[in-house]
Amino acid sequence: EAGVTQFPSHSVIEKGQTVTLRCDPISGHDNLYWYRRVMGKEIKFLLHFVKESKQDESGMPNNRFLAERTGGTYSTLKVQPAELEDSGVYFCASSQGLGDHVGSYNEQFFGPGTRLTVL
Amino acid sequence: AQKITQTQPGMFVQEKEAVTLDCTYDTSDQSYGLFWYKQPSSGEMIFLIYQGSYDEQNATEGRYSLNFQKARKSANLVISASQLGDSAMYFCAMREGLSQAGTALIFGKGTTLSVSS
Repeated sequence: EAGVTQFPSHSVIEKGQTVTLRCDPISGHDNLYWYRRVMGKEIKFLLHFVKESKQDESGMPNNRFLAERTGGTYSTLKVQPAELEDSGVYFCASSQGLGDHVGSYNEQFFGPGTRLTVL
Repeated sequence: AQKITQTQPGMFVQEKEAVTLDCTYDTSDQSYGLFWYKQPSSGEMIFLIYQGSYDEQNATEGRYSLNFQKARKSANLVISASQLGDSAMYFCAMREGLSQAGTALIFGKGTTLSVSS
């Protein structure tokens, strides 16, 4: 079974440009999460999809970030326009859906991350 | 206030020795889970071990065990018989509201473990 995949693995852009990150969750996983780690800081939650709906977007830093999950499959995270402070590693994770393993730990499986550098 | 605190930025251990990585947490939830993830230099996040707040026994997974002290709100990771491949960053994380199927993980800042021969 394929794991969570993310594309690209690295992206270097200039301030003011636009970048789109993609995440393909494990097939059948309804929950999809985006997290970000800025250098030297802890990994921070950005948002959570359940299928195609945004369940929680309280961690999105500002309106320059737009996440979508069309059809409840893969997700994209667009940063427009990118700023220097957006540099970091963006992780995507997925877990099984409502009704599956509720009350259990419902493990989140992480992708390898996208390292974004804004110059 | 930080919800997950990892006070050790770096730890050094020799091969075959045991090492404890500290983690304390803060929550008012009764139902929560504690996780440890390993991030090697390649960057991927590898799930290691889980402890639920209602679990009475400490979790164990091979060479990993979790020393869960609920009253102290600590969830330390113990790695027995360290190996060179254990060199990595280790993150402690918590998920509150376990009655819901999907809530986000809250991470600590991580501890870098270096294992020498």
